[in-house]
Amino acid sequence: SAVISQKPSRDICQRGTSLTIQCQVDSQVTMMFWYRQQPGQSLTLIATANQGSEATYESGFVIDKFPISRPNLTFSTLTVSNMSPEDSSIYLCSVPGQGAMRQETQYFGPGTRLLVL
Amino acid sequence: AQSVTQPDIHITVSEGASLELRCNYSYGATPYLFWYVQSPGQGLQLLLKYFSGDTLVQGIKGFEAEFKRSQSSFNLRKPSVHWSDAAEYFCAVGAGGRRALTFGSGTRLQVQP
Repeated sequence: SAVISQKPSRDICQRGTSLTIQCQVDSQVTMMFWYRQQPGQSLTLIATANQGSEATYESGFVIDKFPISRPNLTFSTLTVSNMSPEDSSIYLCSVPGQGAMRQETQYFGPGTRLLVL
Repeated sequence: AQSVTQPDIHITVSEGASLELRCNYSYGATPYLFWYVQSPGQGLQLLLKYFSGDTLVQGIKGFEAEFKRSQSSFNLRKPSVHWSDAAEYFCAVGAGGRRALTFGSGTRLQVQP
């Protein structure tokens, strides 16, 4: 499976500030996904990030709040802007399987644990 | 739209006992089904997946799952639970291709000594 890393692994931030989360993959992938996992909850898709085009956001998520960059086929960033305590969550990136692996399978990074005070 | 229901929020079993975690899905076509495990402070690890063919699929760590189309279910089982299996388990459904997954709400497994 793809090796996915995220930075930072965790952070504590003050409300009103912004945090940029990085996701690095060890192979080239066309699509990357960003999910949010609020405390005690399941994963919710924030957006799909395609290289060379604007990210596609899910209902309830907007670009002004969660801007995404996808500068190349191995890297993406998600920014959580103007944070409030409600943004305290785990943020995970994922990529589809590649090559011999089935594309329907998603592989996940270790997540970024964000606490907003 | 696809959806996944995990009816059990929290399950406690004794070490060595058998385990079954329930998952029901809603999807109009043939689903792609997955079970992931999330240990405390960790990301998601793929346990097993079902795309087609044999409805009983084997995964890692001794887990298996059975796809039952008539019941729209994909329950996860393990014959003998180990203390290290304590974690959160998520069932997910996909539409195929490189598309994102829809996750259930998760089942937290606690293992008693």
